[in-house]
Amino acid sequence: SYDLTQPLSVSVALGLTARITCGGNNIRSKNVHWYQQKPGQAPVSVIYRDSKRPSGIPERFSGSNSGNTATLTISRAQAGDEADYYCQVWDSSTVVFGGGTKLTVL
Amino acid sequence: EVRLVESGGGLVQPGRSLRLSCIASGFTIGDSAMSWVRQAPGKGLEWVGFIRGKAYGGTTEYAASVKGRFTISRDDSKSIAYLQVNSLKTEDTAVYYCTRWYDAFDIWGQGTMVTVSS
Repeated sequence: SYDLTQPLSVSVALGLTARITCGGNNIRSKNVHWYQQKPGQAPVSVIYRDSKRPSGIPERFSGSNSGNTATLTISRAQAGDEADYYCQVWDSSTVVFGGGTKLTVL
Repeated sequence: EVRLVESGGGLVQPGRSLRLSCIASGFTIGDSAMSWVRQAPGKGLEWVGFIRGKAYGGTTEYAASVKGRFTISRDDSKSIAYLQVNSLKTEDTAVYYCTRWYDAFDIWGQGTMVTVSS
């Protein structure tokens, strides 16, 4: 089975740039999707197919995918960005989620 | 408005069964790949399984952890997706989300809580 590895937590100062990584074997060969989940709420798609933003997601959110690591970048971090973030890929006909990263905005 | 609403969760004893429902509005459920994703208390997201759209045969795939116990089905006339959960275990305790796949899991319901306890 395919595994995705995320850091448990990432901290960023208000207004600076946060980067959340998602590691997987040759992950560049897969499309990586990212979800934001705030406490008590359902997840929300923030990046799909490595780097595309759904309608309504701020340009501050961007994504990249290279080698064995995909990265979600949040520029000019705001207090409202504090949440859990999950990466996700398809492995054959099954879905794999990363373990999730808690983003804290200081 | 595109929307998913789950129902059917509750407190159930180990070994019993439950059927969760997901009512879709604003789109044609039969044309979509519909998934169930669960989240145990304080834990991350875990994919449970999905059912393909009609154009792809409406076939299903499941996570290894639930294969043989969980069944996903769909009633296109009612715009409802179902998750039948059998032989429930305490580790199945979680919020169960219904979600649509369209380039990503783009629409999510609010979730329904299933608690397995004696």
